[in-house]
Parts: sequence; C-alpha cells; structure tokens
Amino acid sequence: DAGVIQSPRHEVTEMGQEVTLRCKPISGHNSLFWYRQTMMRGLELLIYFNNNVPIDDSGMPEDRFSAKMPNASFSTLKIQPSEPRDSAVYFCASSWVQVQNTEAFFGQGTRLTVV
Amino acid sequence: GDSVTQMEGPVTLSEEAFLTINCTYTATGYPSLFWYVQYPGEGLQLLLKATKADDKGSNKGFEATYRKETTSFHLEKGSVQVSDSAVYFCALRSNTDKLIFGTGTRLQVFP
Repeated sequence: DAGVIQSPRHEVTEMGQEVTLRCKPISGHNSLFWYRQTMMRGLELLIYFNNNVPIDDSGMPEDRFSAKMPNASFSTLKIQPSEPRDSAVYFCASSWVQVQNTEAFFGQGTRLTVV
Repeated sequence: GDSVTQMEGPVTLSEEAFLTINCTYTATGYPSLFWYVQYPGEGLQLLLKATKADDKGSNKGFEATYRKETTSFHLEKGSVQVSDSAVYFCALRSNTDKLIFGTGTRLQVFP
C-alpha cells in the first residue's frame, strides 16, 4: 500500500481564496483524522471520521473550515475564505477503528501558506 | 477532557547520552498510549505503543512503560545518536477513538 496520500504537498494562496486539501486513506482503514500543525499551537485535532461519518468536529476552528468524507477512500478539508492565520501544515491520518490500540498512519502533510 | 502533557524542548544531548522525555496523560477509562517521531519535512511515524497498564513498548532502542498509577508514559533511550534528532510526540487514543497528541519535544543530538 502507498500509505496515506495527501495533495497538494504545498499550496500558496491569496487571502480570501478557497482552499481544498485532499486525502486518500490507506485502503481498508475506516477511521480518518485531520490535524493542523503550527509552531505556536502544536498538533491540533480538527475533526475525525469513523466509517465516513464525522464523529467529533469540535476542533474545527470556525465556520470557514469544513470537512467531508464522501466515501471510504477520499476526504477533503476546505477553507473558505482563507486567512493568513490559516497558514500551517495540515496532516491527514487513517487507522482501523474497531481496535482501540491500533495506531494511526500519517500522510506527508500539506503545507499551506496564505498571503 | 482527555489530554497529554509532555516536557518542553528542545532537549539537547551529546551522542551516546541517556535520553528521557516525560509524558503524562489525563483520560477516562483505559486509553492506549503511543510515541510518534517526526523528522524534518515529514509526517509522523509510530515509534512505539502500549495498550494496557505495565505494558512496555520498545523500538529502535527506545522504550516507554505504561504507568497507570502515575498516568505516565515516559520515553527513554540508553544511548542516543545524531540520527535520533527529531520531534517526539506522546499521544493517547481514548475510548471514543479520539487520537490526542502532546505538543511535541524537539531532540537535538550533537556529535
């Protein structure tokens, strides 16, 4: 398996534009997490899905952020409109949910810069 | 709510020194505990894990023991190498499947 695949790896956009980050989890995994990493706040859990259903989105910073998982092999994180303070590295991770002690596997991340 | 607290870095050591990175947690029930490592420009990789009290996780010379009485999962290595320089994250997976990370500790090892 190729692992968790995120795209794009780097994104530079202007303030006010819509940004869509994409994630393909490992085949067979049924739990998916979106994280944001910054120097100031560390690694923050934004939202996670079990079996394509959002379970906890309490980490989503505001209404400008939305996430979807239309099927087991694809998820998106959208920011509309984007702001400079959204600049961060966004990670997607997947795992097998039925077993609590299963670790999550991370993608390489998307480095987002909003200017 | 559930949380993870780990020592702030950076931790700076000479090669072959002993390493300890402290991690404590707060959780309801019986979480699973993990250490992840992040090398520059990369995603997080699992280093080791422990799923119940008194379990010891180990990998690549690193060890951590799940201590329920002190709610701790400290990471140790007897002799660090320059190649161990990275950021280390302690994490727990709760009863609700949430995967929560500490703030990370940067380790710098000099020859």
